[in-house]
Amino acid sequence: NAGVMQNPRHLVRRRGQEARLRCSPMKGHSHVYWYRQLPEEGLKFMVYLQKENIIDESGMPKERFSAEFPKEGPSILRIQQVVRGDSAAYFCASSPPVLDTQYFGPGTRLTVL
Amino acid sequence: SQELEQSPQSLIVQEGKNLTINCTSSKTLYGLYWYKQKYGEGLIFLMMLQKGGEEKSHEKITAKLDEKKQQSSLHITASQPSHAGIYLCGADGNRDDKIIFGKGTRLHILP
Repeated sequence: NAGVMQNPRHLVRRRGQEARLRCSPMKGHSHVYWYRQLPEEGLKFMVYLQKENIIDESGMPKERFSAEFPKEGPSILRIQQVVRGDSAAYFCASSPPVLDTQYFGPGTRLTVL
Repeated sequence: SQELEQSPQSLIVQEGKNLTINCTSSKTLYGLYWYKQKYGEGLIFLMMLQKGGEEKSHEKITAKLDEKKQQSSLHITASQPSHAGIYLCGADGNRDDKIIFGKGTRLHILP
């Protein structure tokens, strides 16, 4: 059973470009969570999604950031017009339908030049 | 809002020695998670504790949750180089969705 998969593992963008981060949850998991880890800071919750629904986006910046988890395909975290402050490691986690332990992917390390 | 404080922030231990990492919550916890993160990599789930007084062990790692469910400790016996990394405690305060994480404890093992 494959774990949570994220791609790309590393992403470099110039200021003003768009970044798309993908997350495929573990098989049988219908809950997806995105977290951000800024340099020298802890892991911070961003958004919680189920298929085709955003359940909690209280940790998402108000502008430029969006997330989706379509009926088919991976969950996408999209950052528009990236700025240097967006440079961070973005982690996706998934859990089964009954709220349970969250299992994390390897992360995508975004570098904004 | 709930906050988690981990101590120490950093720990250097001689291989073979025992060590303890602590995690204290500002509020009663529904669930307490321990994860390990290797430098520059993802998080590996270690254990989850839910009941007051609960204790779980896996190989040489033991985690405990106090009766009041506000404090947890992670104890490593006879540490090895493979134990090196960042240990994160996370709390699920309301059995909702998000996990609130502490800032982590960086563990270095000296050969």
